Amino acid sequence: AQSVTQPDIHITVSEGASLELRCNYSYGATPYLFWYVQSPGQGLQLLLKYFSGDTLVQGIKGFEAEFKRSQSSFNLRKPSVHWSDAAEYFCAVGSNDYKLSFGAGTTVTVRA
Amino acid sequence: SAVISQKPSRDICQRGTSLTIQCQVDSQVTMMFWYRQQPGQSLTLIATANQGSEATYESGFVIDKFPISRPNLTFSTLTVSNMSPEDSSIYLCSVRAARNYEQYFGPGTRLTVT
Repeated sequence: AQSVTQPDIHITVSEGASLELRCNYSYGATPYLFWYVQSPGQGLQLLLKYFSGDTLVQGIKGFEAEFKRSQSSFNLRKPSVHWSDAAEYFCAVGSNDYKLSFGAGTTVTVRA
Repeated sequence: SAVISQKPSRDICQRGTSLTIQCQVDSQVTMMFWYRQQPGQSLTLIATANQGSEATYESGFVIDKFPISRPNLTFSTLTVSNMSPEDSSIYLCSVRAARNYEQYFGPGTRLTVT
């Protein structure tokens, strides 16, 4: 069975600073990896995904993530955060039967 | 991407009653799922809604408590039966995109049981 670990429960970052959210996964086969964002009172929005190919993937809102098989990681980054990036971020791994397993989530607070 | 709507968006229900949540997609999809997000928690898969057959439930979830219907390729319902305060959660449906492994989520139904 697959699983996801997001080591950081809460991260506070200054507006304009860089952001990196960590994600480690456990899955026996080639993983399908996702990052979702959930703003307060909102549903989940897909930021980016990795299925195969280039290990550095670009997403929406200026986010990118890098897949590192040797480290079983799929960390999310943004060079310069905006106040609107304050939200809950979830990493997820998908199996061959299309079911998603989510990490516990990381809450991002942006200070002015 | 698919456009997904859920009804109701939120509800407050009394203990012992049941609530049916609807999920409507704007296009035909092969797979639909139901997730639960308890307060302050991550998402947990409840079941896969199969068109024309019984839903497939994950460990810890049973059909008597969470009956699911999927009469066609664009619609599904999840019923939360005999509710208790522990059922207070956000319930989300999701769909798998036809061409890849992407999953899109509905806006969720926020359920409070008193």
